[in-house]
Amino acid sequence: QVQLVESGGGVVQPGRSLRLACAASGFSFSGSAMHWVRQAPGRGLEWVAVISHDGSNKYSADSVKGRFTISRDNPKNTLYLQMSSLRAEDTAVYYCARASGPSVVDAFDIWGQGSMVTVSS
Amino acid sequence: QLVLTQSPSASASLGASVKLTCTLSSGHSDYAITWHQQQPEKGPRYLMKLYSDGRHIKGDGIPDRFSGSSSSSGAERYLTISSLQSEDEADYYCQTWGAGIHVFGSGTKVTVL
Repeated sequence: QVQLVESGGGVVQPGRSLRLACAASGFSFSGSAMHWVRQAPGRGLEWVAVISHDGSNKYSADSVKGRFTISRDNPKNTLYLQMSSLRAEDTAVYYCARASGPSVVDAFDIWGQGSMVTVSS
Repeated sequence: QLVLTQSPSASASLGASVKLTCTLSSGHSDYAITWHQQQPEKGPRYLMKLYSDGRHIKGDGIPDRFSGSSSSSGAERYLTISSLQSEDEADYYCQTWGAGIHVFGSGTKVTVL
């Protein structure tokens, strides 16, 4: 079945880096744009970044621009989020989500279960 | 600026119906939106894509109790849940895309009485 499994979360000190991964299965990964969305404790959903099916187009939220980089490895069916210069306000559950099509404008139709990132000294 | 506005909370009795509203900011009434459900302690689940003319495309396995509609202007989008069940108690988010960003509404918490 269609599945997205995030990994790589944990506790990290402010200013440090962390890389999240999302393993996809059950669908044509190379045919779908992919997103990262986060949710701080007790808060709503916040979109983080999107990458087109072939990696040629990327967009990110202003709150992470210049610090977070989205990328993908289609042969490995894996999505990544490289997070650097982490701040306390980046503490959240990070979800990967499949887009309904290949483009960055396509919204999410499948969600992962999430990976918790805690930024704390 | 692209903004989606949702009421913080809604409630209805078991077996009744509840109608949630997502309002698009001025100038964006023709944008398509999506609705997502998040049950307590779980990841979100896609419910449907809803167009300004009221057409909607539901996700796989989404019960017929969930339906979408739009106002005549298209600015208001609705999610109606009929025959409310206990498992419908959740947060519901609307979402759209524009000008290089994806945007979520702040979410509506539905309580089943």
